[in-house]
Amino acid sequence: GQNIDQPTEMTATEGAIVQINCTYQTSGFNGLFWYQQHAGEAPTFLSYNVLDGLEEKGRFSSFLSRSKGYSYLLLKELQMKDSASYLCAVRRTGGFKTIFGAGTRLFVKA
Amino acid sequence: DTEVTQTPKHLVMGMTNKKSLKCEQHMGHRAMYWYKQKAKKPPELMFVYSYEKLSINESVPSRFSPECPNSSLLNLHLHALQPEDSALYLCASSQVIGPSTDTQYFGPGTRLTVL
Repeated sequence: GQNIDQPTEMTATEGAIVQINCTYQTSGFNGLFWYQQHAGEAPTFLSYNVLDGLEEKGRFSSFLSRSKGYSYLLLKELQMKDSASYLCAVRRTGGFKTIFGAGTRLFVKA
Repeated sequence: DTEVTQTPKHLVMGMTNKKSLKCEQHMGHRAMYWYKQKAKKPPELMFVYSYEKLSINESVPSRFSPECPNSSLLNLHLHALQPEDSALYLCASSQVIGPSTDTQYFGPGTRLTVL
């Protein structure tokens, strides 16, 4: 089976840095995605990690440790528009199945 | 162009109605997906098409019938739905070749209400 855990909610201040963690247990791991989803809108792709290490893309970075079943999304210089849900999703081998975590709702306050 | 379009944006239907949701992409992607998302829940995979053939059916009730008429289009035919089927229905697409190109691009979704 598979299990993906993320914190339900987080609050951070505009201009600060926030780290959203994701732990997973799955058979046949083949990559981890982070998506951003604003309320009532579709998810949008943020990052993809399949090898261990840090991937940096502007204000957003994503880290993966396959041996620990652990990833995090780091958001720097937070802006009010970053208030959204952040979904961790794990891709399995042997098909196109990507399983989504429940998401972390991030509130950015002034 | 990384756009996936979906129509209609909103749909209200009765339990005896027949309706269809449409999805279109012109990115040359050969994998297309239907997801169902309830409020404050993650997307749940329903169907996956690869090269216009059904690859995954996540034990979805037969009142939902997918169709992939060509590589750019994906339909979801709805018949005799229940109120609990009310949700946001998301379409997504991805390239097929290689894991790094498996990023799924989502359409804006169709918000379905079943009365």
